[in-house]
Amino acid sequence: GEEVAQTPKHLVRGEGQKAKLYCAPIKGHSYVFWYQQVLKNEFKFLISFQNENVFDETGMPKERFSAKCLPNSPCSLEIQATKLEDSAVYFCASSQLFGQSQETQYFGPGTRLLVL
Amino acid sequence: RKEVEQDPGPFNVPEGATVAFNCTYSNSASQSFFWYRQDCRKEPKLLMSVYSSGNEDGRFTAQLNRASQYISLLIRDSKLSDSATYLCVVNGDDYGQNFVFGPGTRLSVLP
Repeated sequence: GEEVAQTPKHLVRGEGQKAKLYCAPIKGHSYVFWYQQVLKNEFKFLISFQNENVFDETGMPKERFSAKCLPNSPCSLEIQATKLEDSAVYFCASSQLFGQSQETQYFGPGTRLLVL
Repeated sequence: RKEVEQDPGPFNVPEGATVAFNCTYSNSASQSFFWYRQDCRKEPKLLMSVYSSGNEDGRFTAQLNRASQYISLLIRDSKLSDSATYLCVVNGDDYGQNFVFGPGTRLSVLP
């Protein structure tokens, strides 16, 4: 598609439950990024992929967060045993290239996760 | 010190005003610079890339000063529709560090 698609738009989970978020990058884009925005404040980088390979996972809280990008499937971000502080908007972005000067990332509409 | 810092805002300006936002970044190896805007509860959208020579797109002008590690955005003849949060975004070094976002500066253009 011509836009980054994210599902679901909203997700409500009780503490300790699992949450799974999906992202379909723009067709032809090789790079996918996940960011977390808490309370409309600063963005925190989580993980990036080059096609199905993890490119950089330095931002991932490894104990409970995992992510995949498999061929011919939307990318996913999964949170096991959600905590209250996981409540945030999770944005996915994609780019055609990476590390190129002025290569833009295009963002999806986000998934709003609320953990109660 | 945060990697990317911006004017704290908010900026409340009347329609037609000129407003300038400032941004500084700490990683001197940063290569790419952008201004994004984010409307309430929406995704960030690219406003403009920032080039060393400075660049202009209609009412918007962006400047980059690598020596001072400083980026600016000037909005002329502001419109009500310019009301948004403006995010300074820096893409890092040769390794290709991911986007680092500033905290954003909120602009409200008032009728």
